[in-house]
Amino acid sequence: KAGVTQTPRYLIKTRGQQVTLSCSPISGHRSVSWYQQTPGQGLQFLFEYFSETQRNKGNFPGRFSGRQFSNSRSEMNVSTLELGDSALYLCASSRSGQAFTDTQYFGPGTRLTVL
Amino acid sequence: KQEVTQIPAALSVPEGENLVLNCSFTDSAIYNLQWFRQDPGKGLTSLLLIQSSQREQTSGRLNASLDKSSGRSTLYIAASQPGDSATYLCAVGTYKYIFGTGTRLKVLA
Repeated sequence: KAGVTQTPRYLIKTRGQQVTLSCSPISGHRSVSWYQQTPGQGLQFLFEYFSETQRNKGNFPGRFSGRQFSNSRSEMNVSTLELGDSALYLCASSRSGQAFTDTQYFGPGTRLTVL
Repeated sequence: KQEVTQIPAALSVPEGENLVLNCSFTDSAIYNLQWFRQDPGKGLTSLLLIQSSQREQTSGRLNASLDKSSGRSTLYIAASQPGDSATYLCAVGTYKYIFGTGTRLKVLA
């Protein structure tokens, strides 16, 4: 069974640009969560989607948004990039409708560098 | 506000040693606690998930315990190997997963 896949693996952008990251969950998993990991703040929860609906959201500005498609694939978008958005963005999938009660399976991440 | 702390931040041990990693959380109202390992530049691998009604879980050389009342969890690694070198993260499940800052483990051959 294929694991969680994330594309692209690496991205370099400049300040002010926008970026879209993609995540394909494990087959049969319907919940997708996104996290930002930085050396200073560690792993922080961005948002969670289930059945194309955002169920929970972390404390990030509105520049961070996401969506989920009917096949459970998810995308997250960051607009007007700032230097502080440089991070490893991780996606995790879980089988149940409440990701925080279930084992989460993580993808390899997308490394975003903002210059 | 839930806060998750992991001590120590870094640990270096000789191969073969048994070791304990600690995770503390401030709010006992959790659904579960999950332990992960992360290799440099990679995603997270789930090691053990303990539901709030459970006291411990075991997988191979790993044993994780949970004491909700005291807000503590430990991850016990038996007979450590160089391949165990990684960062270990705990995460508590509330309405989202809240992660600790991790313990960076190095097992010396």
